[in-house]
Amino acid sequence: EIVMTQSPVTLSVSPGERATLSCRASQSVSSNLAWYQQKPGQAPRLLIYGASTRATGIPARFSGSGSGTEFTLTISSLQSEDFAVYYCQQYNNWPTFGQGTKVEIK
Amino acid sequence: QVQLQESGPGLVKPSGTLSLTCAVSGGSISSSNWWSWIRQPPGKGLEWIGEIYHSGSTNYNPSLKSRVTISVDKSKNQFSLNLSSVTAADTAVYYCARKVRITMIVVDWGQGTLVTVSS
Repeated sequence: EIVMTQSPVTLSVSPGERATLSCRASQSVSSNLAWYQQKPGQAPRLLIYGASTRATGIPARFSGSGSGTEFTLTISSLQSEDFAVYYCQQYNNWPTFGQGTKVEIK
Repeated sequence: QVQLQESGPGLVKPSGTLSLTCAVSGGSISSSNWWSWIRQPPGKGLEWIGEIYHSGSTNYNPSLKSRVTISVDKSKNQFSLNLSSVTAADTAVYYCARKVRITMIVVDWGQGTLVTVSS
């Protein structure tokens, strides 16, 4: 099983600031990496797939980068609706998720 | 856009079997998708349970494989999850989801249903 490790566990950011979230895979997953956003009481929502491709309807302030074992999700200017938990997920092998990064208001 | 709706008992007794159904609307279950089950224990992360193609081909999480059965009913445009010998550790919100076969990306999720294992 490929283990996905996200950091930090919690990120405190002020509205309008940049947020940078990291995800590391225990072995190479190539670019087979997705990012999801989850708000309380809701299902996850796909943000990024293929490590860097935004899903339909996702604002340009969300960007993804990386390949192999190291990945980053950047939110360029945090809006109030962006405070949520973010998960990375690899689909190179049997799909596994990271434990999540909570982005909270500073 | 495809809509997914989970249904089933919200409470299951320990050692019993958890059974859920996911109704698919806005698209055919015979399309090129893997139909998946994913769960999330309260306050924790996400775990892939398994998936099925309309042909009946399945993939299961190795850690759950001995207890999981996923089936498809094309006549009703739905698929189902059975998880046997449940314990409190199986208490979670269970989501059904659509994973596009070509990209292997989950693009649609159900709203989720909480299943509690308790006597």
